[in-house]
Amino acid sequence: DAGVIQSPRHEVTEMGQEVTLRCKPISGHNSLFWYRQTMMRGLELLIYFNNNVPIDDSGMPEDRFSAKMPNASFSTLKIQPSEPRDSAVYFCASSRYRPDTQYFGPGTRLTVL
Amino acid sequence: TQLLEQSPQFLSIQEGENLTVYCNSSSVFSSLQWYRQEPGEGPVLLVTVVTGGEVKKLKRLTFQFGDARKDSSLHITAAQPGDTGLYLCAGPSSNTGKLIFGQGTTLQVKP
Repeated sequence: DAGVIQSPRHEVTEMGQEVTLRCKPISGHNSLFWYRQTMMRGLELLIYFNNNVPIDDSGMPEDRFSAKMPNASFSTLKIQPSEPRDSAVYFCASSRYRPDTQYFGPGTRLTVL
Repeated sequence: TQLLEQSPQFLSIQEGENLTVYCNSSSVFSSLQWYRQEPGEGPVLLVTVVTGGEVKKLKRLTFQFGDARKDSSLHITAAQPGDTGLYLCAGPSSNTGKLIFGQGTTLQVKP
């Protein structure tokens, strides 16, 4: 089975631009998680979905961040407008029934200039 | 707020040496997980420990869950350069179920 798929793997953009990150979870998994990883703050949970419904978005840093999951096989994380402090690696993970067993994608390295 | 603290933060050793990484909390966790993350990749789940006092082995890696389920350790025997990476412990929050991660231990094994 294919693992979690994320695109793009790398994104370089200028401050103020809109950025959209994409994720395809493992087929059959019913929970999807978006994380951000930086050297300073480590791995932070931004938002997670259960059965395509956002359950907890308390980790979303600002209104500039939004996430959607229109169906069981696709999710997006959007940053509009982007700022240099948003530079980080963004991971998507999915799990089946057990949130303590998550499978991570390879991540998207975002650089905002 | 439940927190997981890992120590040490950084570890640089020679090939063949043994090492132990610790993951501690003042809170009880229903389970703890260990992940390994290699540069440019996402974390990969190594093991889940559930029962207090449980010991699990994965080749040269030995994982232990504390009797009180507040801490865990990862011991690597005869480390190899392929063990190099970031080791993360994680556990589900008792309130929300969300996975709480430690800050990680960066391990470098020199040939």
